[in-house]
Amino acid sequence: QSALTQPASVSGSPGQSITISCTGTGSDVGGYNYVSWYQQYPGKAPKLMIYDVTKRPSGVSNRFSGSKSGNTASLTISGLQADDEAHYYCCSYAGSNTWVFGGGTKLTVL
Amino acid sequence: QLQLQESGPGLVKPSETLSLTCTVSGGSISSISYYWGWIRQPPGKGLEWIGSMFYSGTTYYNPSLKSRVTISVDTSNNHFSLKLSSVTAADTGVYYCARHATTVTTDWFDPWGQGTLVTVSS
Repeated sequence: QSALTQPASVSGSPGQSITISCTGTGSDVGGYNYVSWYQQYPGKAPKLMIYDVTKRPSGVSNRFSGSKSGNTASLTISGLQADDEAHYYCCSYAGSNTWVFGGGTKLTVL
Repeated sequence: QLQLQESGPGLVKPSETLSLTCTVSGGSISSISYYWGWIRQPPGKGLEWIGSMFYSGTTYYNPSLKSRVTISVDTSNNHFSLKLSSVTAADTGVYYCARHATTVTTDWFDPWGQGTLVTVSS
């Protein structure tokens, strides 16, 4: 069970859109529609932003959206804002009642 | 509003057992709709799922930690616990507890506790 692969960092200017990828295998990301995304500020607990690949919890801005193609899931943030600067982690069900997280991506708003 | 709070020693000696408790407030740990999970984060690194359990006692563990992990529940006190044996410096990190929704139709961790830092050192 290996960690899902995310880019270490991405950046964008305010108002732009960015996409963070999360690559796994057919045994996790590609095999199930159970990918979730979490936002984490330094020293704080993660917060659920997207679940079941595309669903957004109540209270999360519609600027956040999720998608999946094959073994790669993606988180897109549109209309980038300064307070979007944080780490983002993906998570996927990996079969046999196990779950795996990605290594995390640091988003910098320029 | 559901809240989770981790508690336990912040310092554990190598080879000993790490023990943490997660107290749930604002909801019942005996809910038939949710599991309860532990996730950890080494300093400066990513998240790692440790395990999840249902109030009835059904448990799921990360295969890489399974031989050292025990998660248990105390429904009378509305809390669940983590024990990790034979710890080494590699087990140092922030430990989070979280409600884990996992069914045939959905899967997510929310909310999370604030986390507690555990350092393994002599």
